[in-house]
Amino acid sequence: GAGVSQTPSNKVTEKGKYVELRCDPISGHTALYWYRQSLGQGPEFLIYFQGTGAADDSGLPNDRFFAVRPEGSVSTLKIQRTERGDSAVYLCASSLAGGRNEQFFGPGTRLTVL
Amino acid sequence: AQKITQTQPGMFVQEKEAVTLDCTYDTSDQSYGLFWYKQPSSGEMIFLIYQGSYDEQNATEGRYSLNFQKARKSANLVISASQLGDSAMYFCAMILANAGGTSYGKLTFGQGTILTVHP
Repeated sequence: GAGVSQTPSNKVTEKGKYVELRCDPISGHTALYWYRQSLGQGPEFLIYFQGTGAADDSGLPNDRFFAVRPEGSVSTLKIQRTERGDSAVYLCASSLAGGRNEQFFGPGTRLTVL
Repeated sequence: AQKITQTQPGMFVQEKEAVTLDCTYDTSDQSYGLFWYKQPSSGEMIFLIYQGSYDEQNATEGRYSLNFQKARKSANLVISASQLGDSAMYFCAMILANAGGTSYGKLTFGQGTILTVHP
């Protein structure tokens, strides 16, 4: 079956602009996660959805970052007033609820803020 | 808060040999899960193996095995019979779980180890 998909694969924007990154989870997965990975580092948690609600948003760095999952499937990560330090690969993952909760990752969106 | 430490920035191994990638973790929780993921140069994170904190036996998945030493808080990955395609970044990660063993929430990742397999 289809895996997690993310669009766009690459996004180049100018400092101060607004961007939206999209994640399509595996069908039937109720949990969805966003991570950010800087070059040479491990992924860092941003936010976790269980269904439509954010169960844990403790990783969002500041109020410029916001994410939604209005129908419990597709999620959009929104970044306002982008800064050069926001440049990274943004990874999305999904999992079934319960069990060992193995997270399946998408290919990521590489965001470059000029 | 959980923490994962991978002390080997890079490792080299000869094709067909075995290699061990180190991972230590720190948590005050009793229920947790440990994962290893592989990230090739293409960027996608690929699940390799999982160990629950209450699992008595070390996990194995094909050529991958996890050397789980709970008292030392270590969860080293052993790759047997290395192949050229094993060259990649490897991440150890932890997730908390409830008393029933159901994991929930975020993964906490280590810094990763770059493995290079020589022919």
